[in-house]
Amino acid sequence: GQQLNQSPQSMFIQEGEDVSMNCTSSSIFNTWLWYKQDPGEGPVLLIALYKAGELTSNGRLTAQFGITRKDSFLNISASIPSDVGIYFCAGQLFPLLMRFGAGTRLTVKP
Amino acid sequence: DSGVTQTPKHLITATGQRVTLRCSPRSGDLSVYWYQQSLDQGLQFLIQYYNGEERAKGNILERFSAQQFPDLHSELNLSSLELGDSALYFCASSVTSGGVEGEQYFGPGTRLTVT
Repeated sequence: GQQLNQSPQSMFIQEGEDVSMNCTSSSIFNTWLWYKQDPGEGPVLLIALYKAGELTSNGRLTAQFGITRKDSFLNISASIPSDVGIYFCAGQLFPLLMRFGAGTRLTVKP
Repeated sequence: DSGVTQTPKHLITATGQRVTLRCSPRSGDLSVYWYQQSLDQGLQFLIQYYNGEERAKGNILERFSAQQFPDLHSELNLSSLELGDSALYFCASSVTSGGVEGEQYFGPGTRLTVT
């Protein structure tokens, strides 16, 4: 089906390190989104991708829409303490509903 | 600030009770989605409304219901509450223009505690 496999489940990194996380699916999507959720808050949209192969940056964040349309990755460069949170990927193939990954919990040690 | 508002922010109630959560979408957004997030879990899709009509249903219990009003705000009604219903409830909205679903923007959530 349209299950999203997001990995890793959690990451513990040192401040200043780069981070990479990804989402894969056995189904294709025509939209990939990446969200960040702080504890007790709603997810905030970070990056939206609409074309296979698309590479988009938002500050220190870079995300790519996989060429097969079945995967996407998010990179965070030079991590800082405020990057702590849970990162969710989401994929959609309209008219089907958007699917969310289980999340990657990021901890940044100063 | 996503532009999506939710009230109340916190709600504490007893088992067996009924509560109503309210959501106002971003200006111009016609679609409203409701999600449930239990402790340390992912987002579970409950239901979607588009321009006042139910469009899609997820894992929503029969004790739960929702509606979207003419001014596009939405309410999620939870009845016969159980301890396991304690969770964060998020509302999201999107444009959904020309048949294409837009990016979903989330509200701050309502934290429901059932005691």
